[in-house]
Amino acid sequence: EDKVVQSPLSLVVHEGDTVTLNCSYEVTNFRSLLWYKQEKKAPTFLFMLTSSGIEKKSGRLSSILDKKELFSILNITATQTGDSAVYLCATNSGNTPLVFGKGTRLSVIA
Amino acid sequence: SAVISQKPSRDICQRGTSLTIQCQVDSQVTMMFWYRQQPGQSLTLIATANQGSEATYESGFVIDKFPISRPNLTFSTLTVSNMSPEDSSIYLCSVFDTLGAFFGQGTRLTVV
Repeated sequence: EDKVVQSPLSLVVHEGDTVTLNCSYEVTNFRSLLWYKQEKKAPTFLFMLTSSGIEKKSGRLSSILDKKELFSILNITATQTGDSAVYLCATNSGNTPLVFGKGTRLSVIA
Repeated sequence: SAVISQKPSRDICQRGTSLTIQCQVDSQVTMMFWYRQQPGQSLTLIATANQGSEATYESGFVIDKFPISRPNLTFSTLTVSNMSPEDSSIYLCSVFDTLGAFFGQGTRLTVV
C-alpha cells in the first residue's frame, strides 16, 4: 500500500526563522510529488516535483526531491505569520488519486 | 493550470436531508476526484468520477450515501445523502493536469 509520511506533525517558530518540512514516501509507479499549503478550506498548490536534485523555488519557499532516498523537503526562509498553515505532501502515480500525508501544522509567532 | 469552481462554499443542513455539491472545471479532464476532510484530519478520497461510467468508490464509501454524477468532461456533482452530524466535513473536488493537481474552493458542511 502506498504511504506518505510527513514530519514533524507540528512546528512552532518565530518570525524570521527558517524551517524545513519533511516528506518521505513508499509508492509504486511513482510519477511526482506535490506540496500544498492549506489555510482554511482548499489546499493551495505550491510545487510539483518529478526529477531528483532539481530545486523548485518560489519566493521564500523552495523544495527538492530525492528519488533514491524517497523523500522531499520544503524549505521556508524568513518565515512570516502569514506562513502559518498546514503543509501537505502528496504523491501521484499516473492516473490514480493522490496519496496524502497527514500534514505538518506550522505556526509562526511574532 | 486548471481552474475549478466549486459551490456551495458552505452550508448548514438538517440531519436526514441531502446536499449536492457542484464542481465546474475550465478545461476538459478525464478524471475528477472527490475528497472529504474531517476536522483535524488529512484528505480522504471518497471516489473517482469518470465521464461516461460509474464512479469508483474507495473503501468505506458507498454510492447510496455519496452518489456522483459526471455528465461531461468539465462538470461533476457529489451528493451527501441522509446526512448525520458525522458528515460534517470539508468536501473538495480535484483534477490533475500536466502542471499539477488542483482543488476547488471546498464546501464546508455542518450537519445539525
